[in-house]
Amino acid sequence: KQEVTQIPAALSVPEGENLVLNCSFTDSAIYNLQWFRQDPGKGLTSLLLIQSSQREQTSGRLNASLDKSSGRSTLYIAASQPGDSATYLCAVQGDYKLSFGAGTTVTVRA
Amino acid sequence: DAGVIQSPRHEVTEMGQEVTLRCKPISGHNSLFWYRQTMMRGLELLIYFNNNVPIDDSGMPEDRFSAKMPNASFSTLKIQPSEPRDSAVYFCASSLGATDTQYFGPGTRLTVL
Repeated sequence: KQEVTQIPAALSVPEGENLVLNCSFTDSAIYNLQWFRQDPGKGLTSLLLIQSSQREQTSGRLNASLDKSSGRSTLYIAASQPGDSATYLCAVQGDYKLSFGAGTTVTVRA
Repeated sequence: DAGVIQSPRHEVTEMGQEVTLRCKPISGHNSLFWYRQTMMRGLELLIYFNNNVPIDDSGMPEDRFSAKMPNASFSTLKIQPSEPRDSAVYFCASSLGATDTQYFGPGTRLTVL
């Protein structure tokens, strides 16, 4: 069974600081890895999807890396803003099934 | 595109009552997923449909839970009878193909008293 772990569980940083969120998984046989954002009381918004053959993916201030052999992914958010405050979820996909981590709750202080 | 649509957004019911949650996937998507999110267990896949056919229902917790997809644009998740431990947020998601990006609906927050 795939186990996905996210560290830290919570993070508080001043505005402008770079964010580093970590995700680890136990089974390297994956199709892809996705990072989602969840705002309180809302659904999940897909931020980045990295195919298993890729090493990284970038979108604006967001960059995600994937090291499939070691079972790790890192999400970098550059120059954080208060609007980045949310819970970030990592999910690995084996076939059709997404296995989620518990998330990292980020607070960016103005 | 309106995205994945779920209704109702909030449901409060009493133990023993029947609850029906509804989902309209994104047009053209052939894969549909129902998830449940709780503080204790996080996000869990309940059931997966491909081309309206249930492929994997191993995550459905008990026989009290059932799901249908009568056509490509509509799915329901029914709980009968409901219990307080069913209280959670239920999400519906759809994707073009089984391994493509999944797009989530806003969820239904269910409270069973």
